Amino acid sequence: KQEVTQIPAALSVPEGENLVLNCSFTDSAIYNLQWFRQDPGKGLTSLLLIQSSQREQTSGRLNASLDKSSGRSTLYIAASQPGDSATYLCAGTNTGNQFYFGTGTSLTVIP
Amino acid sequence: DTAVSQTPKYLVTQMGNDKSIKCEQNLGHDTMYWYKQDSKKFLKIMFSYNNKELIINETVPNRFSPKSPDKAHLNLHINSLELGDSAVYFCASSQDRDLNQPQHFGDGTRLSIL
Repeated sequence: KQEVTQIPAALSVPEGENLVLNCSFTDSAIYNLQWFRQDPGKGLTSLLLIQSSQREQTSGRLNASLDKSSGRSTLYIAASQPGDSATYLCAGTNTGNQFYFGTGTSLTVIP
Repeated sequence: DTAVSQTPKYLVTQMGNDKSIKCEQNLGHDTMYWYKQDSKKFLKIMFSYNNKELIINETVPNRFSPKSPDKAHLNLHINSLELGDSAVYFCASSQDRDLNQPQHFGDGTRLSIL
């Protein structure tokens, strides 16, 4: 059974810092991987999708990478801002249409 | 303008009742999903429909029955509600069943069972 762990569970940083969020899968047979952010009382917003043929994706200050051999993904946030405060979730799929979400990292960026 | 909309936003009801949650997407997507997020914020997929056809049905009690009258709607009906059904339920959609398509989520329905 696939289990997804996100480390750290919570993170608090001063504004302007660069940070890395980690996601690891017990079963490295991952087809693709998506990073989401969730604001309190809201649904998930897709940030980056690393498709099956890709190893990384970039959007603005965000960069996500996926190492299928080790079953690990990282989300890098550059020059963090208070508006980045949210819970970040990774989600992987396998070819059997199975979706697996991580436990989330709660990020607080202090002005 | 809301892409994926769910109603109601909050639902408080007593154990044993039957309730429905509605979901509509105006993105023209073919595939829709229902997820459950428990009190520990863990998100798990329940169902997926593609063009009104069921393609994913995870191990959920048969008290939960999804209904897709057309590809823009995926409603969730729950019979005989139990305390453990308390959670936030999210609807989502994607362009099609290609796993390389991003998913778009609604804001969730917070279900509380008394």
